[in-house]
Amino acid sequence: AQSVSQHNHHVILSEAASLELGCNYSYGGTVNLFWYVQYPGQHLQLLLKYFSGDPLVKGIKGFEAEFIKSKFSFNLRKPSVQWSDTAEYFCAVNARDNYGQNFVFGPGTRLSVLP
Amino acid sequence: NAGVMQNPRHLVRRRGQEARLRCSPMKGHSHVYWYRQLPEEGLKFMVYLQKENIIDESGMPKERFSAEFPKEGPSILRIQQVVRGDSAAYFCASSPPDRGVYEQYFGPGTRLTVT
Repeated sequence: AQSVSQHNHHVILSEAASLELGCNYSYGGTVNLFWYVQYPGQHLQLLLKYFSGDPLVKGIKGFEAEFIKSKFSFNLRKPSVQWSDTAEYFCAVNARDNYGQNFVFGPGTRLSVLP
Repeated sequence: NAGVMQNPRHLVRRRGQEARLRCSPMKGHSHVYWYRQLPEEGLKFMVYLQKENIIDESGMPKERFSAEFPKEGPSILRIQQVVRGDSAAYFCASSPPDRGVYEQYFGPGTRLTVT
């Protein structure tokens, strides 16, 4: 069975600081990888996704993530955070051979950006 | 193109009552997924449906929970005889046919509170 872990439960940064949120998954087959963001009181929005090709993917709002297959990792980065990035961030995995097609989500990392 | 719609956004039920949560997928999407988000946790898959078919219900509690996606109308997640532990945010996602491993679009969620 697939599982996803996120290293940090809560991250607190000042504006303009750099961000890296860790995500590791366990699954032996081919996976699709996603990062979602949930702003307070809002629904999940897709930040970026990786299916194949260049392991460094760029998403919306200046976010990027790097897939490192050997480490089963898909860490999210942003060079300079803003107060508006305060939100909860979820890493998710979907196995390509998953007949059920369900996403497996990590527990989330809450990011607080101080002005 | 309207996104995934869920209603109600907030639902309060007393213990023992029934809760009905509705989800209208995006236009052209025939696949629906229900996830539950408990406090301080990530989303957990519950059930995957296509029109008039339950494809995967491996995440559904064995008792009191049921889901349907009729030929006409929204998908319904039904919780009978609710208990306090059912308090959570319930998210619906939809995808185009056979694209669920690549893309799922999430609704705003229904926040269920059991008093």
